[in-house]
Amino acid sequence: KAGVTQTPRYLIKTRGQQVTLSCSPISGHRSVSWYQQTPGQGLQFLFEYFSETQRNKGNFPGRFSGRQFSNSRSEMNVSTLELGDSALYLCASSLLGQRNEKLFFGSGTQLSVL
Amino acid sequence: TQLLEQSPQFLSIQEGENLTVYCNSSSVFSSLQWYRQEPGEGPVLLVTVVTGGEVKKLKRLTFQFGDARKDSSLHITAAQPGDTGLYLCAGAHGGATNKLIFGTGTLLAVQP
Repeated sequence: KAGVTQTPRYLIKTRGQQVTLSCSPISGHRSVSWYQQTPGQGLQFLFEYFSETQRNKGNFPGRFSGRQFSNSRSEMNVSTLELGDSALYLCASSLLGQRNEKLFFGSGTQLSVL
Repeated sequence: TQLLEQSPQFLSIQEGENLTVYCNSSSVFSSLQWYRQEPGEGPVLLVTVVTGGEVKKLKRLTFQFGDARKDSSLHITAAQPGDTGLYLCAGAHGGATNKLIFGTGTLLAVQP
């Protein structure tokens, strides 16, 4: 069974640009969550999607958005990039997104903003 | 605001030594998970503890959830180089969602 796939693995952008990251969950998983990981702040929850609906949102500005498609694949978008957006963006999938369900993480997309 | 503090932040030990990593919070969590993350990879779930006072063992790893469900510990016996990685605790509050609050992390290096 294929794991969670995130593309691309690495991205370099400049301030002011926008970026779209992609996540393909494990087959059959309907919940996709996104996390940002930085050395200073650690792992922080961005948002969670289930059946194409955003079900939960973390404390990030509106420049961070996401969506989920009918096949459960998800994308997240960051507009007007800032230097502080440089981070590892991790996607995690689970069957139904219920508490205590096992989360399966992808390898992440490393975003560098110059 | 970081709700889950882990200690120590860094730990470098020799193969065969024992170690304990702590995860503390002022908040009560309905459950707590421990993950290990290796360079270039996402975190991998090790265990979930849900009951105050619960102890779970996974080979040489022992996990404990505090009685008040505000803290947890991970003890590794006879550490091996393969245990090297970033250890993260993550707490879930009440409710149906799987949103997690991650700890600050403990970077463990086991020297052969």
